[in-house]
Amino acid sequence: SQKIEQNSEALNIQEGKTATLTCNYTNYSPAYLQWYRQDPGRGPVFLLLIRENEKEKRKERLKVTFDTTLKQSLFHITASQPADSATYLCALFTSGGYQKVTFGIGTKLQVIP
Amino acid sequence: EPEVTQTPSHQVTQMGQEVILRCVPISNHLYFYWYRQILGQKVEFLVSFYNNEISEKSEIFDDQFSVERPDGSNFTLKIRSTKLEDSAMYFCASGLNTEAFFGQGTRLTVV
Repeated sequence: SQKIEQNSEALNIQEGKTATLTCNYTNYSPAYLQWYRQDPGRGPVFLLLIRENEKEKRKERLKVTFDTTLKQSLFHITASQPADSATYLCALFTSGGYQKVTFGIGTKLQVIP
Repeated sequence: EPEVTQTPSHQVTQMGQEVILRCVPISNHLYFYWYRQILGQKVEFLVSFYNNEISEKSEIFDDQFSVERPDGSNFTLKIRSTKLEDSAMYFCASGLNTEAFFGQGTRLTVV
């Protein structure tokens, strides 16, 4: 069966450190993988997209890697700040004429000052 | 900055009643979606809509649910004969291609 797993439900790190979140998937052939941020009671906010033929993508303090052999994506936040505290969702995007996004459960990141 | 807007922000309804959740997607977007998130659980895909028709739907989206784009701007989700387990946050999203922009959600509480 198809499955998306995010490495842990919660991750606590010290301010200034790099946070690394993991997303693993099975029985998918995603065209893209996306990362979203979700704050409590709010809708997901799109952060980054990486395509199946891309190894790495960066945006400011964010970096995403995508290994289709390992079926894994890593999401890094460098120089983390308390404002980065949120739940981060990995999402697989399958194409083929129609579109839908399938989300993982998310990892709750807490950056401690 | 353009955004997806959803109304109402919170809807309380009696079990067995019909509800309509409303969304105004971003104006030049082509793809429209409904998702739901039961408290403490993951965001789940319900349906996608493109070119004035449903393009894909999940197993959750059964005959109890329907979507409409009655005019050029609104996108609605109708839930007939609501059940207690329909209580959730319902998110509308829209996009041009590979990104999905989400609204702030409607919290539906079925009592």
